Amino acid sequence: AQSVTQLGSHVSVSEGALVLLRCNYSSSVPPYLFWYVQYPNQGLQLLLKYTTGATLVKGINGFEAEFKKSETSFHLTKPSAHMSDAAEYFCAVSAKTHYNQGGKLIFGQGTELSVKP
Amino acid sequence: DVKVTQSSRYLVKRTGEKVFLECVQDMDHENMFWYRQDPGLGLRLIYFSYDVKMKEKGDIPEGYSVSREKKERFSLILESASTNQTSMYLCASRSTGIRDQPQHFGDGTRLSIL
Repeated sequence: AQSVTQLGSHVSVSEGALVLLRCNYSSSVPPYLFWYVQYPNQGLQLLLKYTTGATLVKGINGFEAEFKKSETSFHLTKPSAHMSDAAEYFCAVSAKTHYNQGGKLIFGQGTELSVKP
Repeated sequence: DVKVTQSSRYLVKRTGEKVFLECVQDMDHENMFWYRQDPGLGLRLIYFSYDVKMKEKGDIPEGYSVSREKKERFSLILESASTNQTSMYLCASRSTGIRDQPQHFGDGTRLSIL
């Protein structure tokens, strides 16, 4: 079984500061990991994904995440926050075999990012 | 770009009504999903479908049913709406033709049951 824990339901940073959103996962089999972003009144948009290969993954809008198997983590970072980054962010996990058969994802509770001017 | 369209952005219904939420995707995806999103709980899978007329229960199927008569359309049905089904509902679709393809989401339907 898989599960995801996002540490911190709300994170607030100043514009230009580092963004760090934490995600820890549990999976007994090799995982696929995803970060999605949700802007107000919209659906979820894929930021980045880790499936195989390089453990540092770059996504859209300057975000990146590093898969650390030993720490079962997949934290999302951005060097310099912008006002437009204010949104809710979701981490999600799936077992590789399950995902390629059916595509089911397990989502974390979400982290709301606020950016102060 | 993949387009997943949910028929209504906002919907208000009364307790006991039968409610239909519609979702259409334009990319010939095999897999389609219905989630509900509640504050502090993230997204929870209600049902998913991996082919026409095929469906499988997710984590919280109670009180819901689904229909997939055509590949592009996946409907979520609240048989007898209750106030605890007030929520944001999100539809997603995904291709199985290529490994590790992501799910693509619609903009959601915010449903209020009075």
